[in-house]
Amino acid sequence: DTAVSQTPKYLVTQMGNDKSIKCEQNLGHDTMYWYKQDSKKFLKIMFSYNNKELIINETVPNRFSPKSPDKAHLNLHINSLELGDSAVYFCASSQVGRLAGGDTQYFGPGTRLTVL
Amino acid sequence: TQLLEQSPQFLSIQEGENLTVYCNSSSVFSSLQWYRQEPGEGPVLLVTVVTGGEVKKLKRLTFQFGDARKDSSLHITAAQPGDTGLYLCAGGRLGYGGSQGNLIFGKGTKLSVKP
Repeated sequence: DTAVSQTPKYLVTQMGNDKSIKCEQNLGHDTMYWYKQDSKKFLKIMFSYNNKELIINETVPNRFSPKSPDKAHLNLHINSLELGDSAVYFCASSQVGRLAGGDTQYFGPGTRLTVL
Repeated sequence: TQLLEQSPQFLSIQEGENLTVYCNSSSVFSSLQWYRQEPGEGPVLLVTVVTGGEVKKLKRLTFQFGDARKDSSLHITAAQPGDTGLYLCAGGRLGYGGSQGNLIFGKGTKLSVKP
């Protein structure tokens, strides 16, 4: 059973298009995240949701809009795609979202987005 | 801004050698995590250290959190080809409300262990 799943695995699209990436977790966790990993493997948080509510938005362009229909799902919609959006996007989830207690984040397999 | 400097960026060694990866910052973190990422997959948590000076062992891997909770190291003894991968350190950001649970990642160490 996959704990955190993402679709699609690969996404190739033209500049200016709008696309969505879906994420689902079956761990019963309260908190979900979106991360971006660039070509140099640098992983940076974009958004965090706790129980369907946005709690972190790390200066991400407003072309990126996360949506959480329920606490098991966190989707990422991107408008007007740009070349610089090419990266691997990872979804993750954790039980509580408080690391001082040793909260573990579980990552999905990633979605490789290529903007041409 | 809290940043984590990870070194070395690349490490290529022979099977059986020992190695240490460092993760340093001028900022204090609430906790420090180490992840391993294989190609085409997401990072997988290896360990979380929370207390300054804490040392944790996971088979041939030894993790240490600095006394001041600003730095950490990962030491691998007698490396094996199966240890090959990208090792990432991540600090739990201090803060309130929404910033709790936010991880700051280092840029990773790409380890290659040759048989």
